[in-house]
Amino acid sequence: AAGVIQSPRHLIKEKRETATLKCYPIPRHDTVYWYQQGPGQDPQFLISFYEKMQSDKGSIPDRFSAQQFSDYHSELNMSSLELGDSALYFCASGGSSYNEQFFGPGTRLTVL
Amino acid sequence: AQSVTQLDSQVPVFEEAPVELRCNYSSSVSVYLFWYVQYPNQGLQLLLKYLSGSTLVKGINGFEAEFNKSQTSFHLRKPSVHISDTAEYFCAVSPRRNGNKLVFGAGTILRVKS
Repeated sequence: AAGVIQSPRHLIKEKRETATLKCYPIPRHDTVYWYQQGPGQDPQFLISFYEKMQSDKGSIPDRFSAQQFSDYHSELNMSSLELGDSALYFCASGGSSYNEQFFGPGTRLTVL
Repeated sequence: AQSVTQLDSQVPVFEEAPVELRCNYSSSVSVYLFWYVQYPNQGLQLLLKYLSGSTLVKGINGFEAEFNKSQTSFHLRKPSVHISDTAEYFCAVSPRRNGNKLVFGAGTILRVKS
């Protein structure tokens, strides 16, 4: 069965650089969620999109933005990167017809 | 708003022994409850979920959990653990409506020793 795809799997950036993380949800899922998991932390909800519109917003810094495109893939854009942005970023998909979320393998971002 | 408390940050246990990982939650609305497992350097895998009905829920890999509404708990159990169960386990809740975000607990690291 198709799963959630995230790219890249690993990303190394310098402070103050920008990064773009991509997420391809499971086909026919109408909702995409982004979570951030810092070292030794639990996953924290950042933002979600339903049918290409932002549906909920969590603790997402102003330096981050995200969108969902017409093909339902989503991108998380991160600017002015800080050391504290180093984390595992998960994308999950699901939505109105599902009572659970299906997680991708994550993108590990390291900011040097 | 919802919050989740996992009462143990680490649980060491010998192989073939039983284990219980504790989870309590707080919410002003009815919730769905989930347990996820995360193996080192991997993503989150759903172990089991409680939506409604029977309060005893069986999941993958021999795990089960019991929903207790009066105690607002959803403890995870396994009668006999294996070395391969060594991982971090997260309890999570979402409001009882499809499409809502998950709120996670801080996680419990299960260390199975031989």
